[in-house]
Amino acid sequence: SQKIEQNSEALNIQEGKTATLTCNYTNYSPAYLQWYRQDPGRGPVFLLLIRENEKEKRKERLKVTFDTTLKQSLFHITASQPADSATYLCAPGGAGNNRKLIWGLGTSLAVNP
Amino acid sequence: DAGVIQSPRHEVTEMGQEVTLRCKPISGHNSLFWYRQTMMRGLELLIYFNNNVPIDDSGMPEDRFSAKMPNASFSTLKIQPSEPRDSAVYFCASSLRTGGKDTQYFGPGTRLTVL
Repeated sequence: SQKIEQNSEALNIQEGKTATLTCNYTNYSPAYLQWYRQDPGRGPVFLLLIRENEKEKRKERLKVTFDTTLKQSLFHITASQPADSATYLCAPGGAGNNRKLIWGLGTSLAVNP
Repeated sequence: DAGVIQSPRHEVTEMGQEVTLRCKPISGHNSLFWYRQTMMRGLELLIYFNNNVPIDDSGMPEDRFSAKMPNASFSTLKIQPSEPRDSAVYFCASSLRTGGKDTQYFGPGTRLTVL
């Protein structure tokens, strides 16, 4: 069955450092992959989308890579800030009429001042 | 736009009671998704609608769960009878597929506790 794996342990980093979160998927060939941020007590919020034919995508301090050979996406936050502390969810999506996203459990990130 | 609206935000009920969760998607969006989130299982898709028609309900746990979308601006998720294992946060999300991709916009969720 399709499986999404993200760093299971919480990630603690110092302010100003780069946070790197990992998303691995198996038994799946997504057409694109999305990253969302979720704060406690709130719904996920979309951050970035990368397509299968793109290697890298950037948005301000965020960078996502997508390696379809390794079946992996990396999510980077550069110059991290305490406000970046949240849970980050990876969600690969299908092609064509398949509207479903398959969700990882998320990685909790804590940025310490 | 007000975003996706869900009600109630919190629901506490006793086992065996009927629970109805409500969702108003973002105006203009043509897809609506119901999710359940728990610590152990993360976000699980229960059902999704496209243009008010249920497309995939394979995630609905059992016959106790039902969902409807009578029009483009309203959907309900009903649990009857409710059980303690149904306790979770239920999210509704809507999207408008553009350029072959789906970005989903989530509501604030309904935290359900079944005693």
